[in-house]
Amino acid sequence: DTGVSQNPRHKITKRGQNVTFRCDPISEHNRLYWYRQTLGQGPEFLTYFQNEAQLEKSRLLSDRFSAERPKGSFSTLEIQRTEQGDSAMYLCASSLVAYTGGNLVDEQYFGPGTRLTVT
Amino acid sequence: LAKTTQPISMDSYEGQEVNITCSHNNIATNDYITWYQQFPSQGPRFIIQGYKTKVTNEVASLFIPADRKSSTLSLPRVSLSDTAVYYCLVGPPGYSSASKIIFGSGTRLSIRP
Repeated sequence: DTGVSQNPRHKITKRGQNVTFRCDPISEHNRLYWYRQTLGQGPEFLTYFQNEAQLEKSRLLSDRFSAERPKGSFSTLEIQRTEQGDSAMYLCASSLVAYTGGNLVDEQYFGPGTRLTVT
Repeated sequence: LAKTTQPISMDSYEGQEVNITCSHNNIATNDYITWYQQFPSQGPRFIIQGYKTKVTNEVASLFIPADRKSSTLSLPRVSLSDTAVYYCLVGPPGYSSASKIIFGSGTRLSIRP
């Protein structure tokens, strides 16, 4: 257990429905990331927050995707009008950038992920 | 974007030292090299991060040559529990562009008894 939790762990939905996932990061971490991972591939960056500000969004994040992090604590990722191509594992990570031994270290702690299946 | 190239898979035996090399020919000056480990149905777990020369922690060592165009993750005396996918990624930590961090497909390491 890394201290990052995600809910639900599994979600099955029908095409066209909206889904929302939640991520609770480690409390003192100011950065929060969302990734998507399909079978046999590494995680793909979707978006990231510095406190409550969404600083970057990947081009993978179409206008059907929206993420929020109100008050800089937990975050939600919503997918509207789901498509079968949205089926994947959605991972959340948090980090606290710090200097360790003279190096700038950005160690991301990942949650267990939410597996989305769109039928 | 700094792309990485790793072997798709590697096999080894318990008790051996395993070295996984990653190529990153177009690494940028402010990029760091980070390795993550991932077990099935779990999120990746940070192993080690470095900028140059050698970094060592309680689980691994990271060797980075002077030109920084490659790096080698060294796992001493592996056990069956080290069977996992290992990702090498290159990107800027700190307050820079997170979208430049690319995981790639990783190296699937299998450890045999």
